[in-house]
Amino acid sequence: NAGVTQTPKFRILKIGQSMTLQCTQDMNHNYMYWYRQDPGMGLKLIYYSVGAGITDKGEVPNGYNVSRSTTEDFPLRLELAAPSQTSVYFCASSPGWTYGYTFGSGTRLTVV
Amino acid sequence: AQSVTQLDSQVPVFEEAPVELRCNYSSSVSVYLFWYVQYPNQGLQLLLKYLSGSTLVKGINGFEAEFNKSQTSFHLRKPSVHISDTAEYFCAVIPLDTGNQFYFGTGTSLTVIP
Repeated sequence: NAGVTQTPKFRILKIGQSMTLQCTQDMNHNYMYWYRQDPGMGLKLIYYSVGAGITDKGEVPNGYNVSRSTTEDFPLRLELAAPSQTSVYFCASSPGWTYGYTFGSGTRLTVV
Repeated sequence: AQSVTQLDSQVPVFEEAPVELRCNYSSSVSVYLFWYVQYPNQGLQLLLKYLSGSTLVKGINGFEAEFNKSQTSFHLRKPSVHISDTAEYFCAVIPLDTGNQFYFGTGTSLTVIP
């Protein structure tokens, strides 16, 4: 049982480049989330999805896009990377409110 | 609107001593409350949660937390810490009116000193 799998684990981007952070879960969870974690700032929600084909913005969506074509996959797209997007990105999934989240191990992104 | 405040950013404690990590929240609606733990270079793991019922909840690794509605607090405690408890701890709430996301505190770094 793999849980939530994120790839890549590390990435360095140049300003203006684009990339996709991959997230896959094998638990058949309907709810999926993308958070970014910055030192001393806790976790901020970027986008979330309540099921295949349904996505919505979180607290800090600017500069990102998502899609949810299947229950399993929830990729996060960065267009025109900026230094402000240097962060650790976590994908999470959940079967519902009361269960809490299952987190992936994170992607550490540096934009230079 | 929701907010979660973790009053201590860093807590050093000697091995086998007790510890309390403080969490206060603000919300205009009822919430569920959670604590997560993050070990170095890993994702967050659920430690314990309060949904309803008894205000004292027990979680994994010997941790417990007490919900105090009047003080809007959900402090995490452990009577005797181990070196392996060194980690970052996050308090989080989920509002019952929407239930679509957690709101996290900024975290407390617990360092257990041998």
